[in-house]
Amino acid sequence: GNSVTQMEGPVTLSEEAFLTINCTYTATGYPSLFWYVQYPGEGLQLLLKATKADDKGSNKGFEATYRKETTSFHLEKGSVQVSDSAVYFCALSGSARQLTFGSGTQLTVLP
Amino acid sequence: EPEVTQTPSHQVTQMGQEVILRCVPISNHLYFYWYRQILGQKVEFLVSFYNNEISEKSEIFDDQFSVERPDGSNFTLKIRSTKLEDSAMYFCASTRQTSTDTQYFGPGTRLTVL
Repeated sequence: GNSVTQMEGPVTLSEEAFLTINCTYTATGYPSLFWYVQYPGEGLQLLLKATKADDKGSNKGFEATYRKETTSFHLEKGSVQVSDSAVYFCALSGSARQLTFGSGTQLTVLP
Repeated sequence: EPEVTQTPSHQVTQMGQEVILRCVPISNHLYFYWYRQILGQKVEFLVSFYNNEISEKSEIFDDQFSVERPDGSNFTLKIRSTKLEDSAMYFCASTRQTSTDTQYFGPGTRLTVL
């Protein structure tokens, strides 16, 4: 079946540091890949997505590239802000439409 | 911007009681989902719903669970006889149609079973 393996947290960075959160997946066929973010006390919000190999999703300075050869979709941001503190979830959607999530990575950015 | 809403935000119940969690998906969306997140664990798929019937369900979604779209706007999850292990955050989501469409999530209902 489908699965997503995500870098364990928590991750603590200083403001303006570079962020990478690793995500690899196992899936049959050609899944779509997503990063969702959960701010404290809120629901899951889509951060970015990519629907085919070599696509790059980007939003709010975050980027992730769909790498079929390495089955990865790592999240990056060049300069994090305190407001980026949240839990980040990597997820995939296969032919069955439901999302399969990774375990989530708690990011804390210190001023 | 349209959003998915869920009520209540927090539900406390006694073991063995029935609970109904409510969701209002985005109005022009056609596919609806329930997920749950036990504290400290992954977000897990429960069930998907399309055209007034269940499309898919996970192993978690046993006979104690049911879903319904009682009218044109609400989408409900019922747990018939709650167990301690049902304590979790339950998220509703909806999407317009295809598998590549974004699933929009509600803020969740925290269910606590005592």
